[in-house]
Amino acid sequence: GAVVSQHPSRVICKSGTSVKIECRSLDFQATTMFWYRQFPKQSLMLMATSNEGSKATYEQGVEKDKFLINHASLTLSTLTVTSAHPEDSSFYICSARVLAGETGELFFGEGSRLTVL
Amino acid sequence: TQLLEQSPQFLSIQEGENLTVYCNSSSVFSSLQWYRQEPGEGPVLLVTVVTGGEVKKLKRLTFQFGDARKDSSLHITAAQPGDTGLYLCASGSNYKLTFGKGTLLTVNP
Repeated sequence: GAVVSQHPSRVICKSGTSVKIECRSLDFQATTMFWYRQFPKQSLMLMATSNEGSKATYEQGVEKDKFLINHASLTLSTLTVTSAHPEDSSFYICSARVLAGETGELFFGEGSRLTVL
Repeated sequence: TQLLEQSPQFLSIQEGENLTVYCNSSSVFSSLQWYRQEPGEGPVLLVTVVTGGEVKKLKRLTFQFGDARKDSSLHITAAQPGDTGLYLCASGSNYKLTFGKGTLLTVNP
């Protein structure tokens, strides 16, 4: 299957700093990527839909100025957590959709664990 | 947004036992996917079911989709410690998925 890679896999930062997480589709192009957040022992909650070349679409209750998403190419989307606080500590997971005309399947990254001190 | 309810929330069994976990909704699923997620990793797709009454098998895993497409089950035969993980069902349109809360399965050797 297709491969989606996230970097970093783990990051620890101080409160008030910004952290960037990358999501790359390694062997396919993805016009659409999705960002999820998962708290311990809970399910994945969709945060936003990242569209190549246009603005991201955020789910209700997700602050777009706090969680900046950039999808500058067909293989890379980034999520920047600005002015991070301890409550932002979570497991962030991206998924990428194979371009239309192919399998149409979603592939998930390995996740990025953010800890804000 | 479609609400997916999974049960049980937690399940701890011994190696060799059989088990079934469930995913239900009050509305019809267009399609349903089952994922397994191991700690510290992203979810991995196990199967997609689309047709009411559909049954799919993946080695020791059997997936059923209800006739009315409002429920689904995952049955594992002779569970092994390697089956340990969080089993999630998900559904949605345009690849925008809503996940259930999952069943955390622990298979003890």
